[in-house]
Amino acid sequence: AQSVAQPEDQVNVAEGNPLTVKCTYSVSGNPYLFWYVQYPNRGLQFLLKYITGDNLVKGSYGFEAEFNKSQTSFHLKKPSALVSDSALYFCAVRGTGNTGKLIFGQGTTLQVKP
Amino acid sequence: DSGVTQTPKHLITATGQRVTLRCSPRSGDLSVYWYQQSLDQGLQFLIQYYNGEERAKGNILERFSAQQFPDLHSELNLSSLELGDSALYFCASSAQPNEKLFFGSGTQLSVL
Repeated sequence: AQSVAQPEDQVNVAEGNPLTVKCTYSVSGNPYLFWYVQYPNRGLQFLLKYITGDNLVKGSYGFEAEFNKSQTSFHLKKPSALVSDSALYFCAVRGTGNTGKLIFGQGTTLQVKP
Repeated sequence: DSGVTQTPKHLITATGQRVTLRCSPRSGDLSVYWYQQSLDQGLQFLIQYYNGEERAKGNILERFSAQQFPDLHSELNLSSLELGDSALYFCASSAQPNEKLFFGSGTQLSVL
């Protein structure tokens, strides 16, 4: 079965520093991977996706993610964190059966301190 | 604004009751997905509809049911409610099954 794991419940970084939010995946077949962000009292917003092609995927709000097949990882990164980036981040993988449903990780809270 | 509308935003009810959550997908989107978000279970996939037909089923309890109507809006029915059903219920939509999902703001259900 498809699954993703986010090993960190919370990540703390200082504003202006680079940030990384980790995600590892387990899939049968080719991985279709996604990152979403959830701000308080809001729905999830799409950041970026990896289907195929370049291992470095660029997304919204300056975020990017690096796909690493040998390490089965899809870490989210940003060169310089903003306080406004503080939110809950979800990694997700497309489920089997070509239905489009996404299987989400447990989420990682990112706290960016001024 | 994602274009996905969920009503109501908040719902407070008692154990044993039945509620209906409503979702209007983005204009033209044929797929609707329902998710449940709780502190202990995280974000769990419940069920998916595509153009009126059930397409995929996840961890949806037998007390829960859903449908998608000809105008593509969807309803999630929760019955015989228990305290543990208290959660944030999200609806999402996509144009085609393999495209990204757009999420509504959710319905916060509190069962007292």
